Amino acid sequence: QVQFVQSEAEVKQPGASVKVSCETSGHSFSSFAIYWVRQAPGRSLEWLGWFNGGTGTTRLSEKFQDRVTLTRDTSANTAYMELSSLTLEDTAVYYCARGPVSGYLFNWGQGTLVTVSS
Amino acid sequence: DIDLTQSPDSLAVSLGERATITCKAGRTVFSSGTKKNHLAWYQQKPGQPPKLLIYWSSARDFGVPDRFSGSGSATDFTLTINTVQPEDVATYYCQQYYSTPTFGPGTRLQIK
Repeated sequence: QVQFVQSEAEVKQPGASVKVSCETSGHSFSSFAIYWVRQAPGRSLEWLGWFNGGTGTTRLSEKFQDRVTLTRDTSANTAYMELSSLTLEDTAVYYCARGPVSGYLFNWGQGTLVTVSS
Repeated sequence: DIDLTQSPDSLAVSLGERATITCKAGRTVFSSGTKKNHLAWYQQKPGQPPKLLIYWSSARDFGVPDRFSGSGSATDFTLTINTVQPEDVATYYCQQYYSTPTFGPGTRLQIK
């Protein structure tokens, strides 16, 4: 059974950066993609990008391509999402999830709440 | 991006009745290459991450009860929940993966 454990909640000031981690167990990073999706309070889901585990490449949403960096540490079985230049509108729960590249998401992490507040 | 709309925004059904949720895409999500509709449905309960129910518009994910079914093609899709149970109270989202992923706004299901 694949498990994801995400990092703890964070509180950041506007203009700062946040790095969220997603540790996986039970599967190889080379299979499937790791997606990053966020959900602002009371809102729907918004895709930020994916990390292709097979090729090591990323695909980012145009909305976030200047602010999001996706990486992985294969030895630590951990994927990372870093979001820079935070604004109040970035307050959301950030999820990692697994699925086929350019596909559906069949395993989700528990989510990491990022609060941006001055 | 392909915009997705859902209707209704919310609905209340009696236990054991049927719930029907629709999802409309701004353009087709049927691929002539895969011969499939690139559309998925998720269930999200409060305080939990989304859970995949349906992919390729009608394929149930492993362990999903067969009272959940998906149908439709091209731009118009339906999620049907037969004999609604108390544990089905949740918000339901559609997602297209024909192009870069987008999600619908969600439909909240409650028990009448």
